[in-house]
Amino acid sequence: DAGVTQSPTHLIKTRGQQVTLRCSPKSGHDTVSWYQQALGQGPQFIFQYYEEEERQRGNFPDRFSGHQFPNYSSELNVNALLLGDSALYLCASSFNQGAEQYFGPGTRLTVT
Amino acid sequence: DQQVKQNSPSLSVQEGRISILNCDYTNSMFDYFLWYKKYPAEGPTFLISISSIKDKNEDGRFTVFLNKSAKHLSLHIVPSQPGDSAVYFCAADPRGSSNTGKLIFGQGTTLQVKP
Repeated sequence: DAGVTQSPTHLIKTRGQQVTLRCSPKSGHDTVSWYQQALGQGPQFIFQYYEEEERQRGNFPDRFSGHQFPNYSSELNVNALLLGDSALYLCASSFNQGAEQYFGPGTRLTVT
Repeated sequence: DQQVKQNSPSLSVQEGRISILNCDYTNSMFDYFLWYKKYPAEGPTFLISISSIKDKNEDGRFTVFLNKSAKHLSLHIVPSQPGDSAVYFCAADPRGSSNTGKLIFGQGTTLQVKP
């Protein structure tokens, strides 16, 4: 039973560029949430996708956007990258927008 | 505005003793709480949860206590084992509103269990 998978593992981008991160949920899950974790902090909620729609959104600018596909996998897109976007990006999946979320290993994004 | 706070950045205990990790929250609308454990280079792993209708939930060596009047919860690990050494995050989900699944995390507490 595959857990939550994310790709790529690491990514280095330059300021102003755009990036796409990918996530496949745990088998049987239909909801994907994305979090940003800065060094020494707890994860911060970016948004949640359920039934291919953005259902919840945290306090992040419109530069952060996403998508959910019919197979429940999801993408996180960040435009016009800033140095402050450097962080670990975590994807979490659950069933029916449940609170008990299963996390992937994350994508470490470095913006130079 | 930190709605979920873990005021102790780190905790060190001896193997076999009790570990107590604390968490405070400010929003009385929060009604479901979770604890996650995180090892380096891995995503957080769900440990245990508690609903606001309860004041205690137990799962093996892990027990979570909730004091709603104080807006405080704690995670007890008994007995502590070296493999428990990790960062522990407290999280809240305001399930009473439409914000289902929007977890709000504390800053984390690094637990070190010494052999």
